Amino acid sequence: DGGITQSPKYLFRKEGQNVTLSCEQNLNHDAMYWYRQDPGQGLRLIYYSQIVNDFQKGDIAEGYSVSREKKESFPLTVTSAQKNPTAFYLCASSRHALTSNQPQHFGDGTRLSIL
Amino acid sequence: GIQVEQSPPDLILQEGANSTLRCNFSDSVNNLQWFHQNPWGQLINLFYIPSGTKQNGRLSATTVATERYSLLYISSSQTTDSGVYFCAVAGGGGSEKLVFGKGTKLTVNP
Repeated sequence: DGGITQSPKYLFRKEGQNVTLSCEQNLNHDAMYWYRQDPGQGLRLIYYSQIVNDFQKGDIAEGYSVSREKKESFPLTVTSAQKNPTAFYLCASSRHALTSNQPQHFGDGTRLSIL
Repeated sequence: GIQVEQSPPDLILQEGANSTLRCNFSDSVNNLQWFHQNPWGQLINLFYIPSGTKQNGRLSATTVATERYSLLYISSSQTTDSGVYFCAVAGGGGSEKLVFGKGTKLTVNP
């Protein structure tokens, strides 16, 4: 079935450690997005990519990094510079960028916690 | 940037009741979506509705873009409707960013 797969579902990070969250889609979508959700809050945009080998910062990019080497994959690295990384992370994709009026579809998320 | 306000923040219903959730936004939009986040965190796309009216079973949505609001109607609510409902918009000025409201938490009691 076509969809967006995020892994792992749960992840624990030690102090000073970088961790990478995986996001893979087989929908042949051009655009991919990473969001962060804190308890009781809406989603906030971390990074997005409209095409392979290109990505832009969202509203809360500090302490995070991404890459887009393949159309299907958009991994997110939470670096040690992100001092409050505990959150629920959601990956999304759309056929084209939002300027083309395309709906976004979401993966099931990764819950990241600090040990 | 564009602002999104959802109301009410919390809603408790008895099974079988109807409800209306509201989303107000501060600028013109070219993208508006309603999502349901279930208790496990999964975000389900309910409607893509930058304007007009759509229906899907017991759910329907209406967006009046000229007046900058959207409504989500849930009829004959079921316990499985519980969760948080989010409205998200992208501005009409060519913005690629989907801005989320803080959501309406719905609890449907048996």
